[in-house]
Amino acid sequence: SQTIHQWPATLVQPVGSPLSLECTVEGTSNPNLYWYRQAAGRGLQLLFYSVGIGQISSEVPQNLSASRPQDRQFILSSKKLLLSDSGFYLCAWSMGTGYDYGYTFGSGTRLTVV
Amino acid sequence: LAKTTQPISMDSYEGQEVNITCSHNNIATNDYITWYQQFPSQGPRFIIQGYKTKVTNEVASLFIPADRKSSTLSLPRVSLSDTAVYYCLVGDGGFQKLVFGTGTRLLVSP
Repeated sequence: SQTIHQWPATLVQPVGSPLSLECTVEGTSNPNLYWYRQAAGRGLQLLFYSVGIGQISSEVPQNLSASRPQDRQFILSSKKLLLSDSGFYLCAWSMGTGYDYGYTFGSGTRLTVV
Repeated sequence: LAKTTQPISMDSYEGQEVNITCSHNNIATNDYITWYQQFPSQGPRFIIQGYKTKVTNEVASLFIPADRKSSTLSLPRVSLSDTAVYYCLVGDGGFQKLVFGTGTRLLVSP
């Protein structure tokens, strides 16, 4: 069966520090991968998506970036965090061929920038 | 992707049936309707998916009228653990960038 792993679960980082969040998917090949962010009490905002290795599309201009160095690995990064980067970050995957059960989400990372 | 509209919040009591309606007037012919559930500090979780008429699984039922411009998620005999945010999304499968709205915040009280 397919599983998605996301870490760390919580993170407290000072303003101006770098960020690296990692997401890996097991049990499938060539998944579509997504990074979402959810501010407190808000809906999910799509940040990045990827349909293949090295293919990254950005939805929201910001100081975050994403990379997909391997088929089932998706990384969210920042060189210098801002206070506004605080939030709940979720990685998700979908197959994207024919209809399936939509997205499967990871357990999320709670990022607090102080 | 078709836009969806849901109530912001709903209140219920344990043991009651809860029906959450979602409006999607611009749903396309190939679009499916999918509902997700999200607990605090967790990722959304798939609940149910349908195309037309009625779909039922062990968790919920999904009612879709013939015109498919709306859908209703039905949760039978809710418990306190059903307190969560419920999202309705429509899409045609394949690759897509699902856009989650603010969802419906369901509060189940004793």
